[in-house]
Amino acid sequence: AQSVTQLGSHVSVSEGALVLLRCNYSSSVPPYLFWYVQYPNQGLQLLLKYTSAATLVKGINGFEAEFKKSETSFHLTKPSAHMSDAAEYFCAVGYTDKLIFGTGTRLQVFP
Amino acid sequence: SAVISQKPSRDICQRGTSLTIQCQVDSQVTMMFWYRQQPGQSLTLIATANQGSEATYESGFVIDKFPISRPNLTFSTLTVSNMSPEDSSIYLCSVASGAINEQFFGPGTRLTVL
Repeated sequence: AQSVTQLGSHVSVSEGALVLLRCNYSSSVPPYLFWYVQYPNQGLQLLLKYTSAATLVKGINGFEAEFKKSETSFHLTKPSAHMSDAAEYFCAVGYTDKLIFGTGTRLQVFP
Repeated sequence: SAVISQKPSRDICQRGTSLTIQCQVDSQVTMMFWYRQQPGQSLTLIATANQGSEATYESGFVIDKFPISRPNLTFSTLTVSNMSPEDSSIYLCSVASGAINEQFFGPGTRLTVL
């Protein structure tokens, strides 16, 4: 069965610092992996997706994620945090026709 | 990506009543889904809305409580029936057209039950 684990329900960084949000997956087959962002009082927006074409995936707003099969990880990074990055971030794995979501990580950015 | 709208965007309802949430997509899509996001929680899939047939419900969700319609490839409704305060959540619809589970989400309906 597929599952997703996000380590750290809250992450706080200073503006300009590196952002690292962790995601580990469990999958019996090569997975499809996604990162979504949810700003306050809004729906989910797709940040990026891994579909086996390339292990380093670039997304919107300067975010990227690297698929590491040996570590079953798909961590999300951004070199320099901006105040507007403050939001909830969800990692998800594709399973048949569905998405299985992690529990989410709330990112806070301090000036 | 598809443009998805939901109505209403928010509502406050009395316990025991029902609310129907609409989801409209600007293009035909293969798959439509309904999720619940309880306060401070992640997303939980309620059901897959199937065009022309009964929805497929996930474990813990039943048709009597969450009846779903999907009359065509661009529209679906979710009804939350006989509401209680525990139904207070954000309800989101999503759509997918490809083979890789990529889903696009509507803005959500924020429901408060008193």
